[in-house]
Amino acid sequence: QSALTQAASVSGSPGQSITISCTGTSSDVGSYNLVSWYQQHPGKAPKLMIYEVSKRPSGVSNRFSGSKSGNTASLTISGLQAEDEADYYCCSYAGSSPWVFGGGTKLTVL
Amino acid sequence: QITLKESGPTLVKPTQTLTLTCTFSGFSLSTSGVGVGWIRQPPGKALEWLALIYWDDDKRYSPSLKTRLTITKDTSKNQVVLTVTNMDPVDTATYYCAHSEVSGWYLDFWGQGTLVTVSS
Repeated sequence: QSALTQAASVSGSPGQSITISCTGTSSDVGSYNLVSWYQQHPGKAPKLMIYEVSKRPSGVSNRFSGSKSGNTASLTISGLQAEDEADYYCCSYAGSSPWVFGGGTKLTVL
Repeated sequence: QITLKESGPTLVKPTQTLTLTCTFSGFSLSTSGVGVGWIRQPPGKALEWLALIYWDDDKRYSPSLKTRLTITKDTSKNQVVLTVTNMDPVDTATYYCAHSEVSGWYLDFWGQGTLVTVSS
């Protein structure tokens, strides 16, 4: 069970849109529509932003959206704001060993 | 309102066994479909899932750590306990517990985490 692959960092200017990709395999991302995304600010616990590929929990801004194609899932943040600067982790259901996380992507708002 | 809080030692010596307790409120671990998981994060590194216990006492473990982990629940106390044997400095991390609805396989409520340092 290997970690999902994410770019180490991504950046964007306020108001722009950015996309963070998460690549897995046919055993995890590719087999299940059970990808979730978590936002983590420094020193804080992760926060669920997207679940089941594209669903948003109550209270999460609609600037956050998720999608999936094949073995790759994506998180898009539109209208980038300074408060979006954080680490983002993808996570996928992986069968009998339920979860595998990505390596995390650090988002910098320029 | 669902809340979870981790507790346990902040410092353990190499080879010792770590015991962490997750005390929660706002849900019952006897309710069908509910689970509690443990996740850790070494300083400056990524999240790593460790273990999960279901409402029906089914348990799952990370394959890479399976031999060292044990997860149990005490429904009457609203607690989940994780033990990690043979601790090593590489196990230094913030340990989180989190609530899961297994119908969707996501972790929707997290504890604040507890930093455990392994050092002699």
